[in-house]
Amino acid sequence: NAGVMQNPRHLVRRRGQEARLRCSPMKGHSHVYWYRQLPEEGLKFMVYLQKENIIDESGMPKERFSAEFPKEGPSILRIQQVVRGDSAAYFCASSPPGELGTYEQYFGPGTRLTVT
Amino acid sequence: QKEVEQDPGPLSVPEGAIVSLNCTYSNSAFQYFMWYRQYSRKGPELLMYTYSSGNKEDGRFTAQVDKSSKYISLFIRDSQPSDSATYLCAIIKAAGNKLTFGGGTRVLVKP
Repeated sequence: NAGVMQNPRHLVRRRGQEARLRCSPMKGHSHVYWYRQLPEEGLKFMVYLQKENIIDESGMPKERFSAEFPKEGPSILRIQQVVRGDSAAYFCASSPPGELGTYEQYFGPGTRLTVT
Repeated sequence: QKEVEQDPGPLSVPEGAIVSLNCTYSNSAFQYFMWYRQYSRKGPELLMYTYSSGNKEDGRFTAQVDKSSKYISLFIRDSQPSDSATYLCAIIKAAGNKLTFGGGTRVLVKP
């Protein structure tokens, strides 16, 4: 059973470009979460999605960041007009369906974004 | 005040020793408690999660929760060099969906 898959693993963007990060959840999982780990800081929640629905985006910056989890295909975290402060490791997690599923979040290997 | 406090370490122990890690939290609304292990430049790996106050064992790992003191612990018995990593506690509210993480404790097990 493959784990959570993320690609690319490393992404370099110049200031002002767009970054697209992809996440495929574990087989059978229907909940997807995105977290960000800034240098020397802990993991911080960004957004929680189910298929075609954003459930909680309370941790997303108000501008330039968006996320989706379409009916078909991976979840996408999109950062428009990147700035140096966006340089971080972005982790996706998934959990099984059901009321207790959110307590069992499994993480992918992360995408390390570097903005030059 | 951070919602979850965790000593950053590093914590250095000899191989075979017991590693003792802990976190404190401030909000009694947090009801579920997790421990993750993260190797350098890798994703966090879920080790254990628990709900109740008391102990939960899984192999060499024991998680302990004291809700009255808002204190959680992880013990690693018979530590191995491969246990060298950063250990993160995470907590979540009942019916919640977002994990709140501690800053992590770096552990080094010396052969």
